[in-house]
Amino acid sequence: EAQVTQNPRYLITVTGKKLTVTCSQNMNHEYMSWYRQDPGLGLRQIYYSMNVEVTDKGDVPEGYKVSRKEKRNFPLILESPSPNQTSLYFCASSKLATGELFFGEGSRLTVL
Amino acid sequence: QQPVQSPQAVILREGEDAVINCSSSKALYSVHWYRQKHGEAPVFLMILLKGGEQKGHDKISASFNEKKQQSSLYLTASQLSYSGTYFCGTELSGSARQLTFGSGTQLTVLP
Repeated sequence: EAQVTQNPRYLITVTGKKLTVTCSQNMNHEYMSWYRQDPGLGLRQIYYSMNVEVTDKGDVPEGYKVSRKEKRNFPLILESPSPNQTSLYFCASSKLATGELFFGEGSRLTVL
Repeated sequence: QQPVQSPQAVILREGEDAVINCSSSKALYSVHWYRQKHGEAPVFLMILLKGGEQKGHDKISASFNEKKQQSSLYLTASQLSYSGTYFCGTELSGSARQLTFGSGTQLTVLP
């Protein structure tokens, strides 16, 4: 089944404790992206990648890192999480030719 | 630059029509439309490219007015299953796939 898989789906952590949210897709998509969703603000793009070893900042990249060492994986790294990074995070992927984004189920992160 | 969606919320009865608008102050390359049901991930509806096109499937269609940098999503004879939050996403000309979403329009269809 074609899908985008995120882990963990739910996480409660404390300020400053490094964490990684993994994202994997099995559709051979070139494009992958991370969004955070907060009430009233919609989906805001954090980082995106158009291919392996190519990453670019989105609208809200501060406090986040990403890497794209393999085509299928695009992990989101929070080196030193803070409470303002409490949010619902979505990973998405698409073929560059079509642009249709396929979203993962989301990861709800709480930073205390 | 986040596109502006209007209205923020709309409540309909089954069978009624709705229009959701999305506008940008900058030149657009494309407009994407997604629907998100409560507790679920957004789901793709359609993409419109600059050149002023119109697209549709079933009773949901959209238009893209390149001169006004505006797109509209039309929901005709709405069904209960249309309830959810609709997001437009915009790619600026020359932005190489940086997709920026609006804050969403919450659509509720009542029986």
